[in-house]
Amino acid sequence: DAGITQSPRHKVTETGTPVTLRCHQTENHRYMYWYRQDPGHGLRLIHYSYGVKDTDKGEVSDGYSVSRSKTEDFLLTLESATSSQTSVYFCAISESGLAGADDTQYFGPGTRLTVL
Amino acid sequence: KQEVTQIPAALSVPEGENLVLNCSFTDSAIYNLQWFRQDPGKGLTSLLLIQSSQREQTSGRLNASLDKSSGRSTLYIAASQPGDSATYLCAAPFYNQGGKLIFGQGTELSVKP
Repeated sequence: DAGITQSPRHKVTETGTPVTLRCHQTENHRYMYWYRQDPGHGLRLIHYSYGVKDTDKGEVSDGYSVSRSKTEDFLLTLESATSSQTSVYFCAISESGLAGADDTQYFGPGTRLTVL
Repeated sequence: KQEVTQIPAALSVPEGENLVLNCSFTDSAIYNLQWFRQDPGKGLTSLLLIQSSQREQTSGRLNASLDKSSGRSTLYIAASQPGDSATYLCAAPFYNQGGKLIFGQGTELSVKP
């Protein structure tokens, strides 16, 4: 299994509070991704990173920000959590990038976030 | 808008049966087609990746095919086992989405002993 950890694994918070999720990899892969998974919507890309300090938006980026100060760490921040951000969040990594013909993504175990 | 669709949403079969999971996509301009497995409460595990120039890939009891002209991929599971019970997702990176993976909503497979 690819060396990807996410922390925390579970979190319950209240509306309006800031929340930061962490993804840590030991594979030295260049690309890192944050997805959310919701019933009826499947997996949707929030943000991704193509290198240290290089990030871009995905499909559902509103209300989220990211940072990557080291190759191994990718942080997802909810500045002011809302109930609509209750979800399971997955981090993923890949070696070659978004459009690599043979590039697959490896996923972390997920973080279950509940916003009350 | 590019979409990936998986039908049915759920499937239940008896152990030992051969089965096919379906995936369709709206645009043939894809870099590859990927199949993942997700166990309850877990992350996704990559099963097979078919490059756009390929027609199929095999791994053990799994065989995935790709027909870009019809916008379809299938995942064939031979001699199913209860341990195959999981949700299976397909995903494709589309050219005009900058290669970002677009996922189907998955087929939840249950293999009954």
